[in-house]
Amino acid sequence: GAGVSQSPSNKVTEKGKDVELRCDPISGHTALYWYRQSLGQGLEFLIYFQGNSAPDKSGLPSDRFSAERTGGSVSTLTIQRTQQEDSAVYLCASRQRNEQFFGPGTRLTVL
Amino acid sequence: QKEVEQNSGPLSVPEGAIASLNCTYSDRGSQSFFWYRQYSGKSPELIMSIYSNGDKEDGRFTAQLNKASQYVSLLIRDSQPSDSATYLCAVTFNQAGTALIFGKGTTLSVSS
Repeated sequence: GAGVSQSPSNKVTEKGKDVELRCDPISGHTALYWYRQSLGQGLEFLIYFQGNSAPDKSGLPSDRFSAERTGGSVSTLTIQRTQQEDSAVYLCASRQRNEQFFGPGTRLTVL
Repeated sequence: QKEVEQNSGPLSVPEGAIASLNCTYSDRGSQSFFWYRQYSGKSPELIMSIYSNGDKEDGRFTAQLNKASQYVSLLIRDSQPSDSATYLCAVTFNQAGTALIFGKGTTLSVSS
């Protein structure tokens, strides 16, 4: 079946602009996670959605980052006023039982 | 602070040999352990999960968990050049689906 999909695959933006990244989880998976992977920092957790519960936002690095999940399916990660240190690969994962499966990621470059 | 430690490598092994990848974690309450493989430019791919002490085998892969020593390892038997990748160890605190905490990965290079 279809895996996790993310769009766009690449995004280049100018410092100070806002960006939106999209994630479509595997059908039927109720849990959705956002991570980011940057050189030297490894893979770090950003935010977690589980069904209709309030999201776990404990990994968001600043208030410029926000995410929502509409209808329990598609999620959008928004970064406002982007900075160069936001450049990274943003990965979305959805969970079945206890295992998380990643999408292909969005590579964000902030000039 | 929950931490997961791995040697960055590179770990170089000849084709057909056993590759041994190691990982330690700081939180004694950790309950779920995973190994992901990541090819350059690609996203992580789940290859093994383990929850109980002991060994778990899947094809050429064996995961080993020792909770007393806070240690998890991955053995790859009959290593192939296609196994060359970065291997990420990941841990969750409980089985209720909390976020994965990742090590920084070990780069494996298998030479033919």
